[in-house]
Amino acid sequence: AQSVAQPEDQVNVAEGNPLTVKCTYSVSGNPYLFWYVQYPNRGLQFLLKYITGDNLVKGSYGFEAEFNKSQTSFHLKKPSALVSDSALYFCAVSAMDSNYQLIWGAGTKLIIKP
Amino acid sequence: EAGVVQSPRYKIIEKKQPVAFWCNPISGHNTLYWYLQNLGQGPELLIRYENEEAVDDSQLPKDRFSAERLKGVDSTLKIQPAELGDSAVYLCASSLGAYGASQETQYFGPGTRLLVL
Repeated sequence: AQSVAQPEDQVNVAEGNPLTVKCTYSVSGNPYLFWYVQYPNRGLQFLLKYITGDNLVKGSYGFEAEFNKSQTSFHLKKPSALVSDSALYFCAVSAMDSNYQLIWGAGTKLIIKP
Repeated sequence: EAGVVQSPRYKIIEKKQPVAFWCNPISGHNTLYWYLQNLGQGPELLIRYENEEAVDDSQLPKDRFSAERLKGVDSTLKIQPAELGDSAVYLCASSLGAYGASQETQYFGPGTRLLVL
């Protein structure tokens, strides 16, 4: 069955340090992978996506993610965290066996401390 | 460019009352989605429209939920009667609908936060 796992409920990072938010997936066929961010009382904002091509995808606000097919992962990264990056981050995947619906992870709360 | 617009932003009702949510997608977007999001969880798809046709409503609780997208633009999601467990955020999203739903970016509105007392 198709699934997305975000193994960490919360990630704490000091401002200026690099950050990683983890995502692994399980689908049949080629996956299409997405990262969204949600600020309090706001809708989800698109950050980046992987469809095909270069495994390293660059997105909004300095974020990037690396598609690793062998590890079925799509971790979100940023070289230097900002306090304003504190939010809830969602990974999502669509593929043939999900009828191309987006399957969402449970979300990871990212807290950046000054 | 205007984003996805939803109204109202907040709604408080008593159980058994009806409630309706409205969504205006991004101009030119053919695909419209309604999601339900519980606190601290990812969104759950309720229904997806391609233009005015509901192409995926398998997860819509049809005994109390209904939706429509007249003229393939704006959409309304209705709950009648509301139950305590319906308290959640209802998100509307839209995508271009040109390349297939699988790889298209969905753009979300701010959501309607519903509290059923």
